[in-house]
Amino acid sequence: DTGVSQDPRHKITKRGQNVTFRCDPISEHNRLYWYRQTLGQGPEFLTYFQNEAQLEKSRLLSDRFSAERPKGSFSTLEIQRTEQGDSAMYLCASSLVGPLQFFGPGTRLTVL
Amino acid sequence: GENVEQHPSTLSVQEGDSAVIKCTYSDSASNYFPWYKQELGKGPQLIIDIRSNVGEKKDQRIAVTLNKTAKHFSLHITETQPEDSAVYFCAAEVLEYGNKLVFGAGTILRVKS
Repeated sequence: DTGVSQDPRHKITKRGQNVTFRCDPISEHNRLYWYRQTLGQGPEFLTYFQNEAQLEKSRLLSDRFSAERPKGSFSTLEIQRTEQGDSAMYLCASSLVGPLQFFGPGTRLTVL
Repeated sequence: GENVEQHPSTLSVQEGDSAVIKCTYSDSASNYFPWYKQELGKGPQLIIDIRSNVGEKKDQRIAVTLNKTAKHFSLHITETQPEDSAVYFCAAEVLEYGNKLVFGAGTILRVKS
């Protein structure tokens, strides 16, 4: 399968714990995006990488969130001190050029 | 910033009928408008897209129309089938770093057989 992959698919954690998600984009796609999707809503932009450089962060991305893309390949999204409001689907997308984006299956986070 | 509104929020049709979903956007600078289909437990899948230099695009049973003057675009699905049942999202490109997308709230489409 050469699509965008995400791991884990599901994560259940207790409030206050740290969690980390991984995204592997389509090979050779130099742009990588993170979105968050809550129940009944469309995806909301969180942050964007061009190769290894993080070029934009949404106001939704509080100080507890951090994202990296070492060497311009896979990316990780870490949430520290999770809160119940962080419960959502975290989606990763990649693109080669322009706005055409391909999404992964997402990581469903549940904070108890 | 860009705002995308989508209607209706739910849509039920009989198998074989047509379905139409409409979206409006606020930023006249937006030039790219994709539609995604999302099935339960899966990520959004691109089904069709349109750029501002085109008024209509068709791919088998799916078509998208764009009216840049009125800032609205629509998804048309003809001869609906049960497997078309899903949540559909429209989106508009934001011309900032990375061409991020702003999504509508989604339409739950149910095709009754």
